[in-house]
Amino acid sequence: KNEVEQSPQNLTAQEGEFITINCSYSVGISALHWLQQHPGGGIVSLFMLSSGKKKHGRLIATINIQEKHSSLHITASHPRDSAVYICALNNNDMRFGAGTRLTVKP
Amino acid sequence: GAVVSQHPSWVICKSGTSVKIECRSLDFQATTMFWYRQFPKQSLMLMATSNEGSKATYEQGVEKDKFLINHASLTLSTLTVTSAHPEDSSFYICSALGQGGIGELFFGEGSRLTVL
Repeated sequence: KNEVEQSPQNLTAQEGEFITINCSYSVGISALHWLQQHPGGGIVSLFMLSSGKKKHGRLIATINIQEKHSSLHITASHPRDSAVYICALNNNDMRFGAGTRLTVKP
Repeated sequence: GAVVSQHPSWVICKSGTSVKIECRSLDFQATTMFWYRQFPKQSLMLMATSNEGSKATYEQGVEKDKFLINHASLTLSTLTVTSAHPEDSSFYICSALGQGGIGELFFGEGSRLTVL
């Protein structure tokens, strides 16, 4: 079993839809990152979470440490949100989920 | 925000040559940097963790003599792919951990290596 499980692997949505991407993990962590990778390869760290919830614009990230689960939500999705979203665990080293490829259609 | 710069962004080399990729933190000191490789349509794979002034910690299956990592200063880590072969062709990415125990993670733009 992978240490980091992300779902779904692929997600297609219509513009305006509410998007949820999930990340479950099986190891102890000091922090969890949500990353966004665009087709060109560039990666941006969207959130770093160690507890609770964070919001930035249309993006919301939550984490439940007891349940070892985190979610990334995108409200009012837009085609420019199309990217691969990756969950990454930080505990002295880094472990990555397989990524969720999101396509938002106009 | 903090910026991490990677250079070169792409490189083509002949089989058997060595290629060096630089990762610089431009406006902060990074005691820890990470190196990853990524194959097409796959997620990031951590290759090694690089701590300033000490030897890198390599992930299982990553040849340390093949992928030499040097982190001689708080703002620079280098990855050298030695005696490159076509199977080393990949997208290599670095990231730097921001200051503080569980600091923010900042990524370089990535370096695409093609070995002919």
